[in-house]
Amino acid sequence: GQNIDQPTEMTATEGAIVQINCTYQTSGFNGLFWYQQHAGEAPTFLSYNVLDGLEEKGRFSSFLSRSKGYSYLLLKELQMKDSASYLCAVRDEEAAGNKLTFGGGTRVLVKP
Amino acid sequence: SQTIHQWPATLVQPVGSPLSLECTVEGTSNPNLYWYRQAAGRGLQLLFYSVGIGQISSEVPQNLSASRPQDRQFILSSKKLLLSDSGFYLCAWSVLLRGGYEQYFGPGTRLTVT
Repeated sequence: GQNIDQPTEMTATEGAIVQINCTYQTSGFNGLFWYQQHAGEAPTFLSYNVLDGLEEKGRFSSFLSRSKGYSYLLLKELQMKDSASYLCAVRDEEAAGNKLTFGGGTRVLVKP
Repeated sequence: SQTIHQWPATLVQPVGSPLSLECTVEGTSNPNLYWYRQAAGRGLQLLFYSVGIGQISSEVPQNLSASRPQDRQFILSSKKLLLSDSGFYLCAWSVLLRGGYEQYFGPGTRLTVT
């Protein structure tokens, strides 16, 4: 089985940086995903890490350390529209159907 | 490019009524397909997944069922809805990209059982 932990809620100021941590325990690892979900909408894909290191996409970066079972999503130059829930998900290499297991999500509130 | 459609977008149904939600994918062949439910303010719960036509795996016991009559069509059904079936239902598909399977969600169906 898998266990994924991420903070429930974070607050940050517009223009600042926020780091959302995600830790996981899994019997096998085959990729970690980050999604953004605005209230009332479907999750949208942000990033996918399968190897250790940092992946940067504009204002968003995602980091993975497989040996530590740890990832973070870094949001830079925060904008009001970044207020959303951020979901961490892990694929177990032994999972049939390439299923993902999701954490509970981190709600980020950006204040002016 | 690949797209995923879900309908209806919103639905209000009385307890005990049947349910049929449809999901279709365009621009890809033989995708893995998934049904998730998200209760208000909660995380995503995987309900069913399918790796091919007629192949359905259930993740949690419930009064819902799923079918995949065509390669790019995934249907979620119930014969009699319960109040606890209310939620946001999301269809997703996964595709092999950059050495791994990436998963994308449809727009979702918001179901209220009254």
